[in-house]
Amino acid sequence: GAGVSQSPSNKVTEKGKDVELRCDPISGHTALYWYRQSLGQGLEFLIYFQGNSAPDKSGLPSDRFSAERTGGSVSTLTIQRTQQEDSAVYLCASSRSSGPNGNEQFFGPGTRLTVL
Amino acid sequence: TQLLEQSPQFLSIQEGENLTVYCNSSSVFSSLQWYRQEPGEGPVLLVTVVTGGEVKKLKRLTFQFGDARKDSSLHITAAQPGDTGLYLCAGRGSQGNLIFGKGTKLSVKP
Repeated sequence: GAGVSQSPSNKVTEKGKDVELRCDPISGHTALYWYRQSLGQGLEFLIYFQGNSAPDKSGLPSDRFSAERTGGSVSTLTIQRTQQEDSAVYLCASSRSSGPNGNEQFFGPGTRLTVL
Repeated sequence: TQLLEQSPQFLSIQEGENLTVYCNSSSVFSSLQWYRQEPGEGPVLLVTVVTGGEVKKLKRLTFQFGDARKDSSLHITAAQPGDTGLYLCAGRGSQGNLIFGKGTKLSVKP
């Protein structure tokens, strides 16, 4: 079956512009996670959705970052007024369930964001 | 805050050599996972270790979970150029989110 897909694969934007990154999880997966991978920083958790519950936004680095998940499926990560330090690869992952004993997370290929 | 420290950060070796990558924390994790990531792709799960002292083998890769469940190691025997990639260890946070180490970038030269 299809894996996690993300679009666009690459995004170049100018400082101050808003960007939207999209994630299509594996069908039937109720949990969806966004991570950011910066050079030399490893993967950093941003936000998590479980079904229709309120998302866990504890990892979002600032209020310029927001995300939504429509119909328990597709998710969009929005970064407003982008800054150069937002340049990174944004990865989305989905799993059948969440929690400390949740199932394996499957990652998409990521969106490489470059802010000039 | 739960943190995972990985070492070494970079490793460049010749084909046929052995290597070990370490993942350490001051926190106890219920499980630790190892991922491999290739350029332009997301991480792919290699193994999950759950029990303290557990050893798992995946062909030439051997994974060990420390007795106290605070550390783990990945040992590769007779490395091949196909083993080249970024190796990441990760533990689960309370919400199921993964807490990653910074990774070990492995290059195996023919």
